[in-house]
Amino acid sequence: DQQVKQNSPSLSVQEGRISILNCDYTNSMFDYFLWYKKYPAEGPTFLISISSIKDKNEDGRFTVFLNKSAKHLSLHIVPSQPGDSAVYFCAARRFYGGSQGNLIFGKGTKLSVKP
Amino acid sequence: DSGVTQTPKHLITATGQRVTLRCSPRSGDLSVYWYQQSLDQGLQFLIQYYNGEERAKGNILERFSAQQFPDLHSELNLSSLELGDSALYFCASSQQGTYNEQFFGPGTRLTVL
Repeated sequence: DQQVKQNSPSLSVQEGRISILNCDYTNSMFDYFLWYKKYPAEGPTFLISISSIKDKNEDGRFTVFLNKSAKHLSLHIVPSQPGDSAVYFCAARRFYGGSQGNLIFGKGTKLSVKP
Repeated sequence: DSGVTQTPKHLITATGQRVTLRCSPRSGDLSVYWYQQSLDQGLQFLIQYYNGEERAKGNILERFSAQQFPDLHSELNLSSLELGDSALYFCASSQQGTYNEQFFGPGTRLTVL
């Protein structure tokens, strides 16, 4: 049973427009969410994160929104650039008191930004 | 460059064989995680070590084992290999802390023929 779901395997947007990547989760005990970006032949690279006590976190062109009641988070990229073309993974973690829990990843969404 | 190194980059072997994948974490990171990414699958957590001790186990098969050495590098041992074990294997490391993100290595691509 997938606890973290990325229902769109792919997304194509025009350069300069907004990219919105979505992620749903089922476990209400998750307390920390992360987005990773992955280029071919490379390992995932951390992009941005959000704690469950917040509903928004911004870092430059990247903003993550968290809707706890809907168990939904989204990553907004504005403006999108061709270099943003990659696979984006949503990940969630449940904090076990005193220790850092492992990450549970979605299957990823492949973003293509067209010039 | 994440600072996490993995060797080898590629590995081709036959069914029934045993292989060892190696990971060196970022300097100062005490936690090492192993993940498997099969075709069309997300990253599946296998196992975590913290400062030499096993901390958490995920979907790791009994044919697989891992360890973390005193110098903090880690090895993932895969034995009695099957065709379905062909995948990308990633190692990640992090500092001990509540909200530290994990940094991933470039991965080892294992092909079982």
